[in-house]
Amino acid sequence: GAGVSQSPSNKVTEKGKDVELRCDPISGHTALYWYRQSLGQGLEFLIYFQGNSAPDKSGLPSDRFSAERTGGSVSTLTIQRTQQEDSAVYLCASSPGTETETQYFGPGTRLLVL
Amino acid sequence: QKEVEQNSGPLSVPEGAIASLNCTYSDRGSQSFFWYRQYSGKSPELIMSIYSNGDKEDGRFTAQLNKASQYVSLLIRDSQPSDSATYLCAQRGTSYGKLTFGQGTILTVHP
Repeated sequence: GAGVSQSPSNKVTEKGKDVELRCDPISGHTALYWYRQSLGQGLEFLIYFQGNSAPDKSGLPSDRFSAERTGGSVSTLTIQRTQQEDSAVYLCASSPGTETETQYFGPGTRLLVL
Repeated sequence: QKEVEQNSGPLSVPEGAIASLNCTYSDRGSQSFFWYRQYSGKSPELIMSIYSNGDKEDGRFTAQLNKASQYVSLLIRDSQPSDSATYLCAQRGTSYGKLTFGQGTILTVHP
């Protein structure tokens, strides 16, 4: 079946612009996670959704970062006033139900802030 | 101290050899541990999960967990060039299932 999909696959933006990154989880998966992977920091957790609510936002690095999930499916990660240090690969993962289940990763969005 | 630490790389082994990847973690409350493989430019894919002390085998892969020593490892037998990738160790803590990853170990299997 279809896996986790993300769009765009690549995004180049100018410092100070806002960007939106999209994640489509595997159909039926209620848990959704956003992670960020950069050269210096490795793979870091950003936010977790269960359904449409986000019980764990502890990884969001600043208030410029926000995320929402609608209809228990698609999620959007928004970065406002982008900075060069936001350049990274943003990965989305989903799992079938509870947070105890295996997470499956999407292909990621590679963001470059000039 | 990082929450999850992996043995320093890169690791290079000849084809057919055993590759040994190691990981230590600091959160004694962790219950679940995972090994992901990541090819260059691709997203992580799950190889093994392990929850109980001891060994878990799946084909050429064996994961080992020792909770008392806070140590988890991955052995790859009969290593193949296609195993060349970055291997990520991850632990799931007690908070909402988020994964905490190590920095990864780059493995190269040379013919």
